[in-house]
Order: sequence, then C-alpha cells, then structure tokens
Amino acid sequence: EDKVVQSPLSLVVHEGDTVTLNCSYEVTNFRSLLWYKQEKKAPTFLFMLTSSGIEKKSGRLSSILDKKELFSILNITATQTGDSAIYLCARSNDYKLSFGAGTTVTVRA
Amino acid sequence: EAGVAQSPRYKIIEKRQSVAFWCNPISGHATLYWYQQILGQGPKLLIQFQNNGVVDDSQLPKDRFSAERLKGVDSTLKIQPAKLEDSAVYLCASSFGGGRRFEEQFFGPGTRLTVL
Repeated sequence: EDKVVQSPLSLVVHEGDTVTLNCSYEVTNFRSLLWYKQEKKAPTFLFMLTSSGIEKKSGRLSSILDKKELFSILNITATQTGDSAIYLCARSNDYKLSFGAGTTVTVRA
Repeated sequence: EAGVAQSPRYKIIEKRQSVAFWCNPISGHATLYWYQQILGQGPKLLIQFQNNGVVDDSQLPKDRFSAERLKGVDSTLKIQPAKLEDSAVYLCASSFGGGRRFEEQFFGPGTRLTVL
C-alpha cells in the first residue's frame, strides 16, 4: 500500500496564528500530491501539486511540493475558527489516491 | 450542478446483520469510488468503477462486502454480515474519468455506520 505520513496528528492554535502541516510520501509511481479539507464528513479539494518548488495559493492557504525530499507542506496564515477541520494529504499513482491519516486543526477564538 | 448524493446518512445495526448504502455520482462522471474511513484514519479505497466496470477492488473484503454499478450511474455497497470493525464512515466519490481528471474527486456527505 502506498504510504502517506502526515504530521502533526493534531494541533490547537489561536485565531491569527500561522499553521504549517507536513506530508511525506513514498515515490513509487508518483503522479501528484493533493490536499483536502474535511469538515463534518465530506473532504473538499484544496490543491493538487505536480511540480517541485512551485507554490500554489488560495487566499490564506498555500502549499508547496518537494519531489527531491518527498514531502509537501500546507500553510494557513491568519487562521480563523472556520479553518478548524481535518486536513488530508493524498498521493496519486496511475489511477488512485492513497490518503494519510490527516491532521486535525482546532482554531480557538 | 448537483453534488454526489448518498443515503442513508446514518445507520445503526447489530453485528451479523446486513446493510446497504446508495450513491448517485455527479452527472457525467464516469468514475465512482467507495472509501471506508475509520475514526482517526484517512479514507481507504474499497472499490473503483469506471462506468460499470471494476478498476480496482483489491482492498474490498469480498467475503462480506459487495458493490455494483449496473448501469454505469448510481451504485450500491453492501455488507453482509457486518462486523464490529466495519463501524466507519463510508464515502462515495466521483470524477470525470481517467487521465489527469481522476485526481479531482468530488465526495458525497458519507454514511456513518455503527455496528453494535
């Protein structure tokens, strides 16, 4: 099974803090690295990364991939309570996604 | 555009009983996925359909789980008989199909199954 490891498992921050989430993966048949946000039950797509060193941004969220060191980070700046969720990292091979266990982020007002 | 629909949203059963989940993907999406997400873990792919054919069911416990997508649209996932360790959220997702597009998966709201 393709291994994806996320860290930390959980963290608690205060509104306005910056959060950095980590994801490492195995290289076999790697196509892309994806980030999802899971609130309640349904994961929603955030980013797909295929090229090393190119940052993707969406509002206060950004992500980058390092294909040499086999990891990705997801940054959330100026956190808000609405950012509280589980953040899932997944890697794709030729036809399927393999997910990590996720990082639970709790943002306190 | 309507999202992925799933029912029921919650189900509580006794062990050894059977249960079925239903999923209707986004219109036009050729690929449909069933995932099992146990508390504290990421989603694990159970089965993937391309139209009405199975692409991957390597992690489906075939002695008790079955799934079908007869007309290449909606799908059902069945567990018979259920075990305590089947307690999980069952997520259905869909995507346009192969190539780069399969990675853009859209998830339904899930069904939370509790086996007592």
